[in-house]
Amino acid sequence: DTGVSQNPRHKITKRGQNVTFRCDPISEHNRLYWYRQTLGQGPEFLTYFQNEAQLEKSRLLSDRFSAERPKGSFSTLEIQRTEQGDSAMYLCASSPETGSYGYTFGSGTRLTVV
Amino acid sequence: AQRVTQPEKLLSVFKGAPVELKCNYSYSGSPELFWYVQYSRQRLQLLLRHISRESIKGFTADLNKGETSFHLKKPFAQEEDSAMYYCALRRGNTGGFKTIFGAGTRLFVKA
Repeated sequence: DTGVSQNPRHKITKRGQNVTFRCDPISEHNRLYWYRQTLGQGPEFLTYFQNEAQLEKSRLLSDRFSAERPKGSFSTLEIQRTEQGDSAMYLCASSPETGSYGYTFGSGTRLTVV
Repeated sequence: AQRVTQPEKLLSVFKGAPVELKCNYSYSGSPELFWYVQYSRQRLQLLLRHISRESIKGFTADLNKGETSFHLKKPFAQEEDSAMYYCALRRGNTGGFKTIFGAGTRLFVKA
């Protein structure tokens, strides 16, 4: 297990197109989180899963955003009808279910909407 | 509402000088506090947790509930400490497990 893996590393898309990102967490981690980070800001929470259940969604997550974690393993984050304001680094992290452990982050997917 | 404030966007110190990165939080429950670090061209990684009371790479942080602070300290800064540092708060069992991050402080250690 090489940690949290995210694909693709970079994505350039035209405004209005749909994009999908994938995150493969550490296999023993039940919890998976998606964050968005823009220049000069800390990561902003988007949503998180415990196994396959999506337990919380941020108000930042408009109806154009959807996340899934089928079978409680990898997760996908889809953005429909992308807008220039969606340009950001999208981070995935995972953590064990119990204990006061921090997150293990992936390298992120940098989205540029042109 | 939960909030994490890092008042300094940039902190510049000389090698060998003490360093303190400030973090204040607001949360009505019992928080868990963390410091994360991001070195140049590397992913964000956990530096330390308040609950473990550990020292990592010479850094320590004490949770002060009275002042709602969790400042990160190191007595003698090294050039390799130059990085982006994020303070983070996680709500406990009763409030879900999402973590809220501050805006970050860039530490620059000069030779």
